[in-house]
Amino acid sequence: ETAVFQTPNYHVTQVGNEVSFNCKQTLGHDTMYWYKQDSKKLLKIMFSYNNKQLIVNETVPRRFSPQSSDKAHLNLRIKSVEPEDSAVYLCASSPGTYNQAPLFGEGTRLSVL
Amino acid sequence: GDKVKQSPSALSLQEGTNSALRCNFSIAATTVQWFLQNPRGSLMNLFYLVPGTKENGRLKSAFDSKESYSTLHIRDAQLEDSGTYFCAADASSGSWQLIFGSGTQLTVMP
Repeated sequence: ETAVFQTPNYHVTQVGNEVSFNCKQTLGHDTMYWYKQDSKKLLKIMFSYNNKQLIVNETVPRRFSPQSSDKAHLNLRIKSVEPEDSAVYLCASSPGTYNQAPLFGEGTRLSVL
Repeated sequence: GDKVKQSPSALSLQEGTNSALRCNFSIAATTVQWFLQNPRGSLMNLFYLVPGTKENGRLKSAFDSKESYSTLHIRDAQLEDSGTYFCAADASSGSWQLIFGSGTQLTVMP
């Protein structure tokens, strides 16, 4: 099956902890992304990774960092979570260069207590 | 203000009826995409558009870059069309950033 796979589906943690979310795509796509969807369903791009080039949205706090071992994997680490990090994190991938009809994973819902 | 403004924010439709969703852009979008997020949270790409129109089954979308808007028409609405529809535009030509609208929550009733 070819798709974008995210783990875990849900994660509950406390303020100050470190969390890590995994994303793998089996589509052979060249570009991967992380999006954040807040409680009002607003979607915002966080990172884009293409051909070992990482592009960071300047509004993303430094406690967030993407990690990639190859073009099929793009994980997301949050060093010390804050309450405002509670959201759904969506991973996506697209063929070729940026944003051509990205395919999304099912998302990871993070709750920070 | 909003760079990608969607309307309406919510909509209820009777099964079998037609409707149109709209996005207005205050940026010079070169491409537009429409997505459907189902109640489980999965986000599915419906259309990827350069200026012009595309049709897929009961869905039809148009993008007018000169007038800075895009529409999504739903014909003969079905229960499974329920969900949140998002439009997204590239921030500038060849940009890595997609800017999403705030969504239209569609409920199709039997």
